[in-house]
Amino acid sequence: EVQLVQSGAEVKKSGESLRISCQASGYTFTRYWLGWVRQKPGKGPEWMGFIYPRDSDTRHSPSLQGQVTLSADKSINTVYLQWSSLKASDTAIYYCARRSESYWGFDYWGQGSQVTVSS
Amino acid sequence: SYELTQPPSVSVSPGQTARITCSADILPKQYAHWYQQKPGQAPVVIIYKDTERPSGVPERFSGSSSGTVVTLTISGVQAEDEADYYCQSADNSGTEVVFGGGTKLTVL
Repeated sequence: EVQLVQSGAEVKKSGESLRISCQASGYTFTRYWLGWVRQKPGKGPEWMGFIYPRDSDTRHSPSLQGQVTLSADKSINTVYLQWSSLKASDTAIYYCARRSESYWGFDYWGQGSQVTVSS
Repeated sequence: SYELTQPPSVSVSPGQTARITCSADILPKQYAHWYQQKPGQAPVVIIYKDTERPSGVPERFSGSSSGTVVTLTISGVQAEDEADYYCQSADNSGTEVVFGGGTKLTVL
């Protein structure tokens, strides 16, 4: 059974750094792209980027390029989303989701990680 | 860059048919996928590549495509179908992935 298990809720202050994680199981980790999707309160999902764990190739949303870092650790089947300096506007639920083998969409999703940033 | 346009809301009575559209000029060239999201839960794919239904998704969910518009149809709507629905499309290299603004389906 494919599972994506994300790290827990975080409460941070503006300017702080943060790394959240998503651990995959139930499939060959290096064979599938994993994506990050942001959902701000009351809004729809917004794609942030993809990472291919086999070689850490990444794709970034042009609107978010440079604001976050995507990384992967093949030894523990885990991908990460990292900020060096959070802003209040980063408050959202962040989902990791597996890219389907046959289309650029998402066939499995993690449970989401709530990130709250206070100013 | 492009936008996927969905109606903000659709309301139907139980047993009726609900149709949710998603439009963009890019859609004749790219597939669209549909996700259902219930409050407090992650999205779940219910239609992919315009018309394909993943295993486990009820047959009352179907997708169609005509030109610049893709449509999610829910036949015989049930109370449990009340949710937000999002279309999504992407280019062939995963460098541009776009979600629609979402449609809230209300079952009266």
